[in-house]
Amino acid sequence: GQQLNQSPQSMFIQEGEDVSMNCTSSSIFNTWLWYKQDPGEGPVLLIALYKAGELTSNGRLTAQFGITRKDSFLNISASIPSDVGIYFCAGQLQTGANSKLTFGKGITLSVRP
Amino acid sequence: EADIYQTPRYLVIGTGKKITLECSQTMGHDKMYWYQQDPGMELHLIHYSYGVNSTEKGDLSSESTVSRIRTEHFPLTLESARPSHTSQYLCASSEYNGGRGRQAFFGQGTRLTVV
Repeated sequence: GQQLNQSPQSMFIQEGEDVSMNCTSSSIFNTWLWYKQDPGEGPVLLIALYKAGELTSNGRLTAQFGITRKDSFLNISASIPSDVGIYFCAGQLQTGANSKLTFGKGITLSVRP
Repeated sequence: EADIYQTPRYLVIGTGKKITLECSQTMGHDKMYWYQQDPGMELHLIHYSYGVNSTEKGDLSSESTVSRIRTEHFPLTLESARPSHTSQYLCASSEYNGGRGRQAFFGQGTRLTVV
């Protein structure tokens, strides 16, 4: 089946630093979504991408839909302690009513004050 | 702001008990999901539903069952809880967004501990 790869599993950065995460697949996807899960909570949608090459920002977060349709990137600039959490990517191959979301395994981000 | 609610948030229960985890959404979404997640780990889809009277098993086998009698309600039941069921259970819903497929909205989760 379709799989999304996120690595490394954990990232440790200093407050104020920028961080970049990527999500790759051996299959083409037509939609990419990025979610963040705070400790003890459910994932929250950060950014949705619908077109190859699309670059979308949400505050300090910027995500890009890879040109090959097989990857997506999330950048966080000037990190702060509340950026701590698990970042999941998700992709959809089909965009019809029966479309299925495939999730990556997530990257746990730690921010040192 | 997503309106999807799970109760209880935390549950500690003894082995062998029957439990039902509640999930309700007020967005009128047709599709609903249950995911199981161990702390800090990946999301595993265990059940989903396309609408009323529709239930399907997900990618991860689960001893739990679900029902969808009303659009807004998607409860998950464990007939006899075991320590191996200890985990976080996340409910989600989505609606078809035209040519853009679906975006899932998650509840806050239920942290289940079976002792």
